[in-house]
Amino acid sequence: QSALTQPASVSGSPGQSITISCTGTSSDVGNYNYVSWFQQHPGKAPKLIIYEVSNRPSGVSNRISGSKSGNTASLTISGLQAEDEADYYCTSYTTTSTLVFGIGTRVTVL
Amino acid sequence: EVQLVESGGGLVKPGGSLRLSCAASGFSFSAYSINWVRQAPGKGLEWVSSISSSSSFIYYADSVKGRFTISRDNAKNSLSLLMNSLRAEDTAVYYCARVILGATGAFDVWGQGTMVTVSS
Repeated sequence: QSALTQPASVSGSPGQSITISCTGTSSDVGNYNYVSWFQQHPGKAPKLIIYEVSNRPSGVSNRISGSKSGNTASLTISGLQAEDEADYYCTSYTTTSTLVFGIGTRVTVL
Repeated sequence: EVQLVESGGGLVKPGGSLRLSCAASGFSFSAYSINWVRQAPGKGLEWVSSISSSSSFIYYADSVKGRFTISRDNAKNSLSLLMNSLRAEDTAVYYCARVILGATGAFDVWGQGTMVTVSS
């Protein structure tokens, strides 16, 4: 199972919006709404920020949103803040009952 | 407090074995599926294995299938990962993670991780 494709890096200025894409295939992203997104700060465990494509866990900022179209899922962070600088990973359920992560995206706040 | 705590990591030679443990507290462990996820130094996250609440459903990544075995003891609120035939590429921080009920792949609680180093 190949890793899902994400841009290596995305940057934006404070207050701007950014979008991170996560591209898979009809065997994973395109076939299920089990897409999750995680935020990871250096040296820390990942944190769930979106699950089932667009659901936000309790306590996650409403500046964060998720969507999906075909084989590509997207994570949007609006009103970018310094604390949003981190690595972001998507993951999807697959037709072989396994999970696959994206390669990760480094978000930089300029 | 809802918590997962991994242990058992360390330095092991190629071809060796290691057993990781994950101790759960603060929630009804027996109701949740639990997964192992690893992260090689400076690299991204890699899903390793999953086990359902009653151990009825177990899955592995192709990279560890046949070498790793996941198991759980609901009476002891604990999860294990037995790793055999270890390779240099298994070097990573290993996390256990809880899955939100009914939401596949939604890991809402993570441990702090335990480091496994495979080297001669």
